[in-house]
Amino acid sequence: GENVEQHPSTLSVQEGDSAVIKCTYSDSASNYFPWYKQELGKRPQLIIDIRSNVGEKKDQRIAVTLNKTAKHFSLHITETQPEDSAVYFCAATKGGDKIIFGKGTRLHILP
Amino acid sequence: EAQVTQNPRYLITVTGKKLTVTCSQNMNHEYMSWYRQDPGLGLRQIYYSMNVEVTDKGDVPEGYKVSRKEKRNFPLILESPSPNQTSLYFCASSLDGLNTEAFFGQGTRLTVV
Repeated sequence: GENVEQHPSTLSVQEGDSAVIKCTYSDSASNYFPWYKQELGKRPQLIIDIRSNVGEKKDQRIAVTLNKTAKHFSLHITETQPEDSAVYFCAATKGGDKIIFGKGTRLHILP
Repeated sequence: EAQVTQNPRYLITVTGKKLTVTCSQNMNHEYMSWYRQDPGLGLRQIYYSMNVEVTDKGDVPEGYKVSRKEKRNFPLILESPSPNQTSLYFCASSLDGLNTEAFFGQGTRLTVV
């Protein structure tokens, strides 16, 4: 079955700098890779997603890249702000099937 | 307002006492699922349902049951709760399960003593 590894588990960056979170997956049939943000005490919410027929997707300060050959995908946050502090989860699925999440990355934005 | 609603938000129970956590969505979504969230383990899928009367095991189904008699409701049943089921539980729904955004409920914090 699918397995998703997420790194790092904790990340601290200076406000204004960039943050990168990486995930690898094991099932080459997976074709949908969402990223969720969970603020303290809140529910997870989708921030960006990418499908396997696309290599990169961008939405303002957030971008996701996908390398199908290497089976890894990454979240990039530029010009980080205090409100970016949260736990971020990657996930992988092949549609109509289980959704497997990574263990999460706690991102701290330092003033 | 489009939403996924779970009840209760908080629950403390004793070992072996059957309980049900309800989940309801008003978005006419086909795919619904349950997750548990534990420190250091992220979100783990318990069960999912592609449509009415169709349910499948996720990664950690042991000790849980679900049913999908109506499209909008997907209750999680713990027939005989044990302390290792103490966790934060989330219900989620998505349009069709074919690679679309999951909308999460507000979570249920369950403690089994």
